[in-house]
Amino acid sequence: QSVLTQPPSASGSPGQSVTISCSGTNGDFADYKYVSWYQQHPGKAPKVMIYEVSERPSGVPDRFSGSLSGNTASLTVSGLQAEDEAEYYCSSYAGGNKWVFGGGTKLTVL
Amino acid sequence: QVQVVESGGGVVQPGTSLRLSCVASAFPLRTSGMHWVRQAPGKGLEWLSVLGADGVQNECADSVKGRFTVSRDNSKNTVYLEMNSLRVEDTAIYYCAREISAFNGFDIWGQGTMVTVSS
Repeated sequence: QSVLTQPPSASGSPGQSVTISCSGTNGDFADYKYVSWYQQHPGKAPKVMIYEVSERPSGVPDRFSGSLSGNTASLTVSGLQAEDEAEYYCSSYAGGNKWVFGGGTKLTVL
Repeated sequence: QVQVVESGGGVVQPGTSLRLSCVASAFPLRTSGMHWVRQAPGKGLEWLSVLGADGVQNECADSVKGRFTVSRDNSKNTVYLEMNSLRVEDTAIYYCAREISAFNGFDIWGQGTMVTVSS
């Protein structure tokens, strides 16, 4: 069974950069490379920020970027802004027509 | 405006059934895979199920397999999540979401519908 592991928290000051990691098992990322990242503010629905490892949907600021190295995906937020404070989740196709989410990382803007 | 809207949540007793609906607007469901994702109070996102664009291919997470089924009505452009033998631990906000492309992430999310399972 696939598991995606994220750090429970991350933080940075306005203007700084912060990177959130997402580690997979069972070769999830290596086999499928369908990693996506979601931002969720309290009481709101998730919003896709990155898909297919590093693709950014229209309307998402280019301060958000994604990458993949081995079995660890990363989301980097550059030039942190107050509105970036939220919960972030990674997700990946896990094979067998199933998907999986990471446990989430709470990003705090100091 | 491309959007999906869920409905059908409520308070139910353990062991009962409930059917959630997800109505899509401005895009035909037959062109997209559709997923259900839930979030228990104060917890993270949990992927539950997918119904492929063909309306036939479908799969559920092990945690709900055998209890939850997903279906679609093309004439109503609506996807359903039929939930049976509900348990207290099924209490969550249930979201439907559109798949960006095959095997990819989810670009359109609804506002969610709350399901509370309690005696």
